[in-house]
Amino acid sequence: QKEVEQDPGPLSVPEGAIVSLNCTYSNSAFQYFMWYRQYSRKGPELLMYTYSSGNKEDGRFTAQVDKSSKYISLFIRDSQPSDSATYLCAIFRTTGFQKLVFGTGTRLLVSP
Amino acid sequence: DADVTQTPRNRITKTGKRIMLECSQTKGHDRMYWYRQDPGLGLRLIYYSFDVKDINKGEISDGYSVSRQAQAKFSLSLESAIPNQTALYFCATSDPTGGNGANVLTFGAGSRLTVL
Repeated sequence: QKEVEQDPGPLSVPEGAIVSLNCTYSNSAFQYFMWYRQYSRKGPELLMYTYSSGNKEDGRFTAQVDKSSKYISLFIRDSQPSDSATYLCAIFRTTGFQKLVFGTGTRLLVSP
Repeated sequence: DADVTQTPRNRITKTGKRIMLECSQTKGHDRMYWYRQDPGLGLRLIYYSFDVKDINKGEISDGYSVSRQAQAKFSLSLESAIPNQTALYFCATSDPTGGNGANVLTFGAGSRLTVL
């Protein structure tokens, strides 16, 4: 079983839609939850990270963590064509052996 | 200039050839990493280095070697390239003292390698 699972998509939405991107993970030892955005022909760049369960908002982006269900989400409000990219979740633990694990990424296409 | 610079950006080579991918950074970070990205498999760690004298294997190090020439430079070598090493390779850096505890990575733009 993979430590983190992410639907590869592609997910196609019209401009202005609310987008929900999700990952599940298997090991409760992970403490930090991150979302990276990767444009075509570019390296991933950090969008947001959270430490605890609950929501964290940054502009049109909201990261949500449910540790009891081992489920993390990224919501994008009022999606724009410039949001078209691949979104990778990443989980990190600092206790015991430090480990960073990436999801495979979900490709998002926002059409005008 | 980019914080993390990778060269070359694209390379086509033949089976059996030796290839070196280079990475340099201006972030001043001690930690550097090499990942490969394949469709459906995501990012997988090849090697990582916490300082010039500390180099460690990642989950898929077979067929690869690295050299940390300086704090700012970390090179990845394929001694004898094979077709299943065709992938997108990323160098990354991180600063564990950044205060956020999350070990956030800063990635380069990637090196696309094709082995024929």
